Amino acid sequence: SQQGEEDPQALSIQEGENATMNCSYKTSINNLQWYRQNSGRGLVHLILIRSNEREKHSGRLRVTLDTSKKSSSLLITASRAADTASYFCATAENSGYSTLTFGKGTMLLVSP
Amino acid sequence: GAVVSQHPSWVICKSGTSVKIECRSLDFQATTMFWYRQFPKQSLMLMATSNEGSKATYEQGVEKDKFLINHASLTLSTLTVTSAHPEDSSFYICSAPAGPDQPQHFGDGTRLSIL
Repeated sequence: SQQGEEDPQALSIQEGENATMNCSYKTSINNLQWYRQNSGRGLVHLILIRSNEREKHSGRLRVTLDTSKKSSSLLITASRAADTASYFCATAENSGYSTLTFGKGTMLLVSP
Repeated sequence: GAVVSQHPSWVICKSGTSVKIECRSLDFQATTMFWYRQFPKQSLMLMATSNEGSKATYEQGVEKDKFLINHASLTLSTLTVTSAHPEDSSFYICSAPAGPDQPQHFGDGTRLSIL
């Protein structure tokens, strides 16, 4: 069943601006992951944040996790047209080889 | 980095045909692989967990006899859509974690169109 809910569902910005996407979930988790999907392609892993972590960075990406609010955010700074894609959060409830429950995703459009 | 290869990328076939989709981990062994289905502009829905050397675990509502999964080796899982009908048309994606508590690596997906 779908657990994560991202907002906004769609986001349109100009190059150079920052993009923030939010994700909420319902159950306790082991970790939360963010993925990117270009149209008609598979998913690419961006960042994994564990339940005992609060913030993680990778290049222009910054992910936060608030387990008390069961929410996470993905910030893309200085966006580029090539960042145009759909972004999904996914939660792993268990450790080990856990299944992932994906949110509905945010479609990001970055205009030149 | 870890790579998952999925074939074919696109299949168009007649109703009643069975279609096999392969998912291979190219540079790591995957005891567990996952199969998802995705409708246009929607999220991924987990169909089943493929376990090497044992039966797959199907999600509620997924027909086992319709979607046959075989995970015969540590690098290959296959999904066979049996007697496919137009309502089976969708985008099917496989994934495999490189290890426990690791992110999943996804294939590029298979777009299945049943006429």
